[in-house]
Amino acid sequence: GAGVSQSPSNKVTEKGKDVELRCDPISGHTALYWYRQRLGQGLEFLIYFQGNSAPDKSGLPSDRFSAERTGESVSTLTIQRTQQEDSAVYLCASSLVFTGRHTGELFFGEGSRLTVL
Amino acid sequence: AQRVTQPEKLLSVFKGAPVELKCNYSYSGSPELFWYVQYSRQRLQLLLRHISRESIKGFTADLNKGETSFHLKKPFAQEEDSAMYYCALSNYGGSQGNLIFGKGTKLSVKP
Repeated sequence: GAGVSQSPSNKVTEKGKDVELRCDPISGHTALYWYRQRLGQGLEFLIYFQGNSAPDKSGLPSDRFSAERTGESVSTLTIQRTQQEDSAVYLCASSLVFTGRHTGELFFGEGSRLTVL
Repeated sequence: AQRVTQPEKLLSVFKGAPVELKCNYSYSGSPELFWYVQYSRQRLQLLLRHISRESIKGFTADLNKGETSFHLKKPFAQEEDSAMYYCALSNYGGSQGNLIFGKGTKLSVKP
C-alpha cells in the first residue's frame, strides 16, 4: 500500500521485557516521526528523523527508549525493560521535505498499541 | 516554551448548529499552525493549515497572533464531523523538526 505501515498493530508484553515497533514510511518521505499517545492524552513527540539521522531526540522519555532508521526507509522504536507506564499507542508518521523546508503535513500510520502487564 | 492548548476535551452540538473548537498556542517565533482530525477507525490526517487560508469540509481557522489563537470553526455542523480534532504547532528550526500537538477535542454532533 501507499500509506505508512506499522507493525505490530497490537502487542501485549510483560513488564521488564524488551519490545520493538516497526514503521514503514511512505516511499520518498525523508522525514519520519514517532509519537506516543497514552489513553486520554494528546500526542507526545518522541523522536524525529531526517534521512537516517535523528536531529531531534528531545522527546525520548528515558534511556530505555531508542530508535533507528535505515536510510530513508524503515524505522524501529525499541523499548527496553518495559514498564506499565509505557502502555500507549505508538504512532509513526512521515512527511516530505522540500529544499530543507518541512511541509507540515504528516501522514500517520494506524499505530501500534502496546500493553505492558 | 512552545505549547498548544485545547481547553475542551469534549464538545457536543446538534446538527446544523455552529461549532468552534478552541486552540491557543505559545511560541516565540512566527508560528505555523495546523488542524488534524481523526475520524472513528481512521488514521490521524491533516484537515487544514493556516498558511493555505483554505476551507476544508466547511471548516475554517484564522490565526490571531494578538490572541495567540487558531480556533476551528464551522457554521453548520454535520453528523459526519464527529471526530477527534487536534491543533498542532510546527516546531521546525535548527535541529528541531516536529509538530507539537494539543491534547485534542472530541466533537460529537448529535442528530
